[in-house]
Amino acid sequence: DGGITQSPKYLFRKEGQNVTLSCEQNLNHDAMYWYRQDPGQGLRLIYYSQIVNDFQKGDIAEGYSVSREKKESFPLTVTSAQKNPTAFYLCASSTGETSVNYGYTFGSGTRLTVV
Amino acid sequence: AQKVTQAQTEISVVEKEDVTLDCVYETRDTTYYLFWYKQPPSGELVFLIRRNSFDEQNEISGRYSWNFQKSTSSFNFTITASQVVDSAVYFCALSDQNTGNQFYFGTGTSLTVIP
Repeated sequence: DGGITQSPKYLFRKEGQNVTLSCEQNLNHDAMYWYRQDPGQGLRLIYYSQIVNDFQKGDIAEGYSVSREKKESFPLTVTSAQKNPTAFYLCASSTGETSVNYGYTFGSGTRLTVV
Repeated sequence: AQKVTQAQTEISVVEKEDVTLDCVYETRDTTYYLFWYKQPPSGELVFLIRRNSFDEQNEISGRYSWNFQKSTSSFNFTITASQVVDSAVYFCALSDQNTGNQFYFGTGTSLTVIP
């Protein structure tokens, strides 16, 4: 079945460490996105990529980095520069330019906790 | 600027009651798309409906119905005869020509259906 796989589901990180969240899709979607979810704040866009080897900052990109070397993969690195990284992270994909018509497909999320 | 407001943070209803989740949006564009997503405890966002700005017909899908009113910039969601499985966080989202592939999400409404 086609879909988006995020791993791991739960992740613990020590302060000062970088950590990478995985996102893989087999939907042949061109565009991929990373959102952060905090209680009471809805979903906020971190980074998005519409094609391979290209990506743009979203509303809260500081302290994060991404890469898009393959169409299927869009990993997110939470760096030590992110002041408050504890959150639920959701990866999504869409067909690209027409995503405004069809919406996103979401992964099941990764819950990151800094200890 | 685009904005989605879900004023109801939390709602609790007793099973079999009807419940309406409110969504108010702001956009300057005449062409836009509205979405509702459900987020069960597992975390993954599940697509429920999309509606474009040119179609103001209300829609019914089983126990779910949506009331789109451009005059009040609202896209409300009603669950009839609620069930425990409806317990989730529900997000309203907006996309228009100016946001490209980005969605603007509301802060979500947490619905608890009490058996």
